Amino acid sequence: EIVLTQSPGTLSLSPGERATLSCRASQSVSSSYLAWYQQKPGQAPRLLIYGASSRATGIPDRFSGSGSGTDFTLTISRLEPEDFAVYYCQQYGSSLMYTFGQGTKLEIK
Amino acid sequence: QITLKESGPTLVKPTQTLTLTCTFSGFSLSTSGVGVGWIRQPPGKALEWLALIYWNDDKRYSPSLKSRLTITKDTSKNQVVLTMTNMDPVDTATYYCAHRPAYWDNWFDPWGQGTLVTVSS
Repeated sequence: EIVLTQSPGTLSLSPGERATLSCRASQSVSSSYLAWYQQKPGQAPRLLIYGASSRATGIPDRFSGSGSGTDFTLTISRLEPEDFAVYYCQQYGSSLMYTFGQGTKLEIK
Repeated sequence: QITLKESGPTLVKPTQTLTLTCTFSGFSLSTSGVGVGWIRQPPGKALEWLALIYWNDDKRYSPSLKSRLTITKDTSKNQVVLTMTNMDPVDTATYYCAHRPAYWDNWFDPWGQGTLVTVSS
């Protein structure tokens, strides 16, 4: 089973700053099968990025994804107040199962 | 527009079986490549994938919960049902169903609003 480890656990930044969130896999992951989600309190997760770097429909271009192999990154170029939330990475692997990371909480500094 | 909604009991007793229904619209589970998955989230904790059913009735389960889970679909009713046996307080969580878009699209979009299930005597 592939384990996804997200870091940091909590990231404290101010609006306008740049956020860099990391997702590291215990084994190599196909970039095609790496996704990122945003979850706000009391809401269901929302797909942000799929295929490691493709933005989902309606996602602002300040969100970008990159990486390959075992290291993936979600970057938010200039934080807006509505971006403060919890972010999860997710992979689908050769074992035909899905796994999620433990999440990174992005909070206002 | 694709929508999904979970329904089922909000409270179950330990050892009971949980049955949750996902009712969806905006897509058909008979379309090649499409799937519906179940994911849960204990209060204040991370997401955990549980199961997924494909358009061709192929099924996948989380290895850690496989013995307790069954996923089925009723294409005519646009519903997917998840059953989980031998419920325990640690199974208290919000349970989500979500749409898997297409054949090579192994992510979930969109998700239902979720339903909170509490396991307590």
